[in-house]
Amino acid sequence: AQSVTQLGSHVSVSEGALVLLRCNYSSSVPPYLFWYVQYPNQGLQLLLKYTTGATLVKGINGFEAEFKKSETSFHLTKPSAHMSDAAEYFCAVGKGSKLTFGTGTRLQVTL
Amino acid sequence: DSGVTQTPKHLITATGQRVTLRCSPRSGDLSVYWYQQSLDQGLQFLIQYYNGEERAKGNILERFSAQQFPDLHSELNLSSLELGDSALYFCASSPGQGEFQPQHFGDGTRLSIL
Repeated sequence: AQSVTQLGSHVSVSEGALVLLRCNYSSSVPPYLFWYVQYPNQGLQLLLKYTTGATLVKGINGFEAEFKKSETSFHLTKPSAHMSDAAEYFCAVGKGSKLTFGTGTRLQVTL
Repeated sequence: DSGVTQTPKHLITATGQRVTLRCSPRSGDLSVYWYQQSLDQGLQFLIQYYNGEERAKGNILERFSAQQFPDLHSELNLSSLELGDSALYFCASSPGQGEFQPQHFGDGTRLSIL
């Protein structure tokens, strides 16, 4: 069965600092991986996706993620955090039509 | 704006009651998915419809049912409501049904059971 593990339910960074949100997946077949962001009182917005091809995926709002098969990881990064990045971030793996989500990481950005 | 519309935004009702949540997918999308988000269970996939037919089922209770109509909008029916059904219910849509296709989410319906 496909699953994802997000390490760290809360991450706090200073504005301008590097953002690193960790996601490890478990999949018996090549996975389709996604990162979504959820702002308060809103739905989930797609940040980026990995299907096949280039392992470094660029998304919206300056985020990117690197698919590392050897480490079964798909960590999300952003070089410089902005206050507007404060939200909850979900990693997800797709199998068939179903998305299996991680438990989420709440990102706090401080001045 | 994802293009997925969910109504109502909030719903407050009592135990034992029945409610219907509605979802209009993005224009051109044939697949509709329903998810439940709660504090203790996280985001859980409930069910998927593709062009009017049920295609995948997740952790959906027997008290819950869904359907997709010819105009592609979908409804999620929740009956015999219990306190534990209080949650945020999301609808998502995608053009087809492949696992590589990202799903686009609505803003959700917040259901509160008193």
